[in-house]
Amino acid sequence: EPEVTQTPSHQVTQMGQEVILRCVPISNHLYFYWYRQILGQKVEFLVSFYNNEISEKSEIFDDQFSVERPDGSNFTLKIRSTKLEDSAMYFCASSEGVSNQPQHFGDGTRLSIL
Amino acid sequence: KNQVEQSPQSLIILEGKNCTLQCNYTVSPFSNLRWYKQDTGRGPVSLTIMTFSENTKSNGRYTATLDADTKQSSLHITASQLSDSASYICVVSGWMDSSYKLIFGSGTRLLVRP
Repeated sequence: EPEVTQTPSHQVTQMGQEVILRCVPISNHLYFYWYRQILGQKVEFLVSFYNNEISEKSEIFDDQFSVERPDGSNFTLKIRSTKLEDSAMYFCASSEGVSNQPQHFGDGTRLSIL
Repeated sequence: KNQVEQSPQSLIILEGKNCTLQCNYTVSPFSNLRWYKQDTGRGPVSLTIMTFSENTKSNGRYTATLDADTKQSSLHITASQLSDSASYICVVSGWMDSSYKLIFGSGTRLLVRP
């Protein structure tokens, strides 16, 4: 069964550094998402992406965040100047449609900011 | 305020027993309700998606029910197995402020003991 893959599985970065999290969504999916989950807390929506542009973003997704689909397969999340509070699991997801379609999640990247 | 509340926070049952997890929501307008299973250190996996017109949906030993009038859902697990140990997340979606949003619950952490 096709799956969403994320790399790296764990990223350790110094505060203030830039980090890029990578995702390969399921190939025939059209909608892409990033979520984060701070340890012990609920999953939080960051951004959705469709047709090469952001369709929705939450208040968490401020100017230090950006997303890109640089080619036909990858979907990336960049955090420009990381802060301690950016430490979390970051999940990528994709879906065929937006309503009433399951979102398929990757296994996440654990981001640790030192 | 659009919220999703789950109960109990955690639950321990013996292998082979049944259990029921609860989800109450205040999201309006409502599009669909999803249950996800999240194993420790993994991404959420979709179990069921129900629209407002569906009362029940099954996926193997998992059966979800929905009462759109009372805004309540339950997830029933039959004949539990050790592999059912995970967090179960209720997610309610709808079109709010002209955008499609998913509101996540905090999850119920289930532990199945031999």
